[in-house]
Amino acid sequence: IVITQSPATLSVSPGQTVTLSCRASQFIGSDLAWYQQKPGQAPCLLIYGASTRATGIPARFSGSGSGTDFSLTISSLQSDDFAVYYCQHYTYQSQWAFGQGTKVEIK
Amino acid sequence: QVQLVESGGGVVQPGKSLILSCAGSGFPFSSRGMHWVRQVPGKGLEWLAVTSYDGSYIDYSDSVRGRFSVSRDNSNNTFHLQMNGLRAEDTAVYYCSRGAGIWSGLPRDAFDVWGQGTMVTVSS
Repeated sequence: IVITQSPATLSVSPGQTVTLSCRASQFIGSDLAWYQQKPGQAPCLLIYGASTRATGIPARFSGSGSGTDFSLTISSLQSDDFAVYYCQHYTYQSQWAFGQGTKVEIK
Repeated sequence: QVQLVESGGGVVQPGKSLILSCAGSGFPFSSRGMHWVRQVPGKGLEWLAVTSYDGSYIDYSDSVRGRFSVSRDNSNNTFHLQMNGLRAEDTAVYYCSRGAGIWSGLPRDAFDVWGQGTMVTVSS
């Protein structure tokens, strides 16, 4: 199972809403997570089960999708949200495969 | 608070071995699966290995199977990555991470806690 993210980079302005895409090469149900990684920091779990926010994650982060197509929407982008976002199929079937990441940068 | 702390990174010559350790605290360590993930600076995340909460299930990525091995010591809340036959392409930041506790039946788990990472540089 291959996980593909698009686009590689998104240039957006603070306050805008952005949607990141993640596609699995095979059906994976809802076993998909999203992570945020800021420069020099470890990744942080945002979403699991495709749409369940992890503890302490603000409601402006929302995940959707199932099967092969997934998305992460960040509403009203704040300065703290500019980072790289990874999706992951978190089972042994894909060897816990990560997508290649989407960088959300300030426009 | 819940914390994972990696140690053991450094500079090592090609072909040599290195052991990384991950110390967990602030949670019942023996109740969670644990993983190693690495990241070449400026690149993406690569999953390396997993152990179930009790060590009964262990698996590796194809890229490191046969060279790397993992073990855990639940009595000391530690998780280890033994790396043998290191290559230049193993140069990366190595993270340990905690399974989110959603493992049920077949191996599946998101990673809800990460260590700060430890840098491994393989160079002569």
